[in-house]
Amino acid sequence: QSALTQPASVSGSLGQSITISCTGTANDVGGFNLVSWYEQHPGKAPKLMIYDVSHRPSGVSYRFSGSKSGNTASLTISGLQADDEADYYCNSYTSTNTYVFGSGTKVTVV
Amino acid sequence: QVQLQESGPGLVKPSETLSLTCTVSGGSMNTYYWSWIRQPPGKGLEWIGYIYYSGSTNYNPSLKSRVTISVDTSKNQFSLRLTSVTAADTAVYYCARGAGWWGDWGQGTLVTVSS
Repeated sequence: QSALTQPASVSGSLGQSITISCTGTANDVGGFNLVSWYEQHPGKAPKLMIYDVSHRPSGVSYRFSGSKSGNTASLTISGLQADDEADYYCNSYTSTNTYVFGSGTKVTVV
Repeated sequence: QVQLQESGPGLVKPSETLSLTCTVSGGSMNTYYWSWIRQPPGKGLEWIGYIYYSGSTNYNPSLKSRVTISVDTSKNQFSLRLTSVTAADTAVYYCARGAGWWGDWGQGTLVTVSS
């Protein structure tokens, strides 16, 4: 069960929009609408940002949105803020009834 | 708001068994799935497995031969056992509520495997 592929790092300026990709296969990301995204600040537990590809939990800013096309899911952060600087992980259900995380992306606000 | 708290030894010797407990407060365990997820220092997240409140389980195939997750709803706790540990099992271990996505997490506990 290999990790989903994410870019190691993405950077953007304050107020800009960035998109983080999460690439899998037809046996995970492409096969099911069960992708979730997590934000993790250093030394802290992950925080759920998006579930079921594009649903935002209560309390999560509207600036975070999710989508999927084929075998690639994406997390877009609009109006980038300093506090968005963190690590981001995707996760997907798989055809073997298991779950796999992405490799993680470090977001830097420049 | 449900709260989760991991507890257990922070140091385990190689070849021994890692045992952790997650105590759930502020809500019932009924009708929910409960998971364990780990993160080696400086690395990414790894799903370990989950248990339904009724006791059915599902494990990561890469760990399945060594992992047992159990639940005690009367104590509002669920537990993780990982046998025959090596240095590769050194990680922060998180407990979380859910199976396919995890909205509530414990703060995590670092378990180091070393003699």
